[in-house]
Amino acid sequence: EPEVTQTPSHQVTQMGQEVILRCVPISNHLYFYWYRQILGQKVEFLVSFYNNEISEKSEIFDDQFSVERPDGSNFTLKIRSTKLEDSAMYFCASRAQGTVKNYGYTFGSGTRLTVV
Amino acid sequence: EDQVTQSPEALRLQEGESSSLNCSYTVSGLRGLFWYRQDPGKGPEFLFTLYSAGEEKEKERLKATLTKKESFLHITAPKPEDSATYLCAVQARGNSGGYQKVTFGTGTKLQVIP
Repeated sequence: EPEVTQTPSHQVTQMGQEVILRCVPISNHLYFYWYRQILGQKVEFLVSFYNNEISEKSEIFDDQFSVERPDGSNFTLKIRSTKLEDSAMYFCASRAQGTVKNYGYTFGSGTRLTVV
Repeated sequence: EDQVTQSPEALRLQEGESSSLNCSYTVSGLRGLFWYRQDPGKGPEFLFTLYSAGEEKEKERLKATLTKKESFLHITAPKPEDSATYLCAVQARGNSGGYQKVTFGTGTKLQVIP
């Protein structure tokens, strides 16, 4: 079964450092997303990406965040200057055109980001 | 602001003891309601999408229903392997006018005891 792959599974970084979280969505998917889940809290929408541009973003997704699809297979989330409150599990998700009804969104297993 | 509230927060069942999880929502321009299962340290796993009041979906021991204000996930004769956190989420109109934003509830943590 096709999977969304995220690397690394766990990243520890110092406050103020830049981090890049990487995702390989399912190959025929066209819509890409980042979500985060702070420990013990709900999953929160960050950003959606389609046709090489951001289609929607939340209030959380401020100027410190950026996304990129640098080639045909990767989708990245960059946090420019990490803060302690950025510590969370970050999930990448993707979907194909017209498949939400039967397949929803496919999530990766997440990257646990710890800012120290 | 879109709101999704799930109850109970936690539920402990004996194997075979059927029950229901509730998801109530307040959104503008609902496009769809999702149920996901999440195991510890994993990403959400898709279960169902519901679009209109009165719609029902079933998968093995799970059945999801939708009204205009809430959704229920019914679990019939659960087994220990059904233990997980069950998440409800709604797809609604975002600030850009599109429907790419999905808002999750906090989930119901289900434990099924053998």
